[in-house]
Amino acid sequence: QKEVEQNSGPLSVPEGAIASLNCTYSDRGSQSFFWYRQYSGKSPELIMFIYSNGDKEDGRFTAQLNKASQYVSLLIRDSQPSDSATYLCAVNVNTGKLIFGQGTTLQVKP
Amino acid sequence: KAGVTQTPRYLIKTRGQQVTLSCSPISGHRSVSWYQQTPGQGLQFLFEYFSETQRNKGNFPGRFSGRQFSNSRSEMNVSTLELGDSALYLCASSRDRGVGSPLHFGNGTRLTVT
Repeated sequence: QKEVEQNSGPLSVPEGAIASLNCTYSDRGSQSFFWYRQYSGKSPELIMFIYSNGDKEDGRFTAQLNKASQYVSLLIRDSQPSDSATYLCAVNVNTGKLIFGQGTTLQVKP
Repeated sequence: KAGVTQTPRYLIKTRGQQVTLSCSPISGHRSVSWYQQTPGQGLQFLFEYFSETQRNKGNFPGRFSGRQFSNSRSEMNVSTLELGDSALYLCASSRDRGVGSPLHFGNGTRLTVT
């Protein structure tokens, strides 16, 4: 079982819709969770992070964490074509070591 | 504030050679991590350095090594290059090793081994 799992996609949504990206992790001791966005040919860019159960909102982005279910998600409201990218979920399995999922490719169609 | 700087951006090497990649973290960041990214394997953790000491290591052979200097700058070395080492090597820095301290990535070094 992979430590961090994501559906590779592609996830296709129309412009203006809500995109929902999901991630599960195997280590119950994981303490913090990160979402990165990576455009083709570019390096990963931090979107947001969360370490408490519940929701964390930042602009059009909402991260949701459920430690009991070992599940973290990212919602993107009012999706724009510029949001088209690969979204990487990362989990802090012990201090200083982030493990990444394979990423979900999001396509936002005008 | 300058971001994470990696040099060189591109490298072409031949099998059997060795290579050294360099990373300058964001000013004030003391932790540096290295990742290998390939289309098939995604982002794979190589190692993490803090206060000039390797704190974590991923599942890579001993040909992959690194070090960190007193100014937090880091280098990664790969010896006896293999074709499978062709990848994007990403360096990332964070302020410290706390769980709420996110990684910030450099632009990467694209290594091609022929």
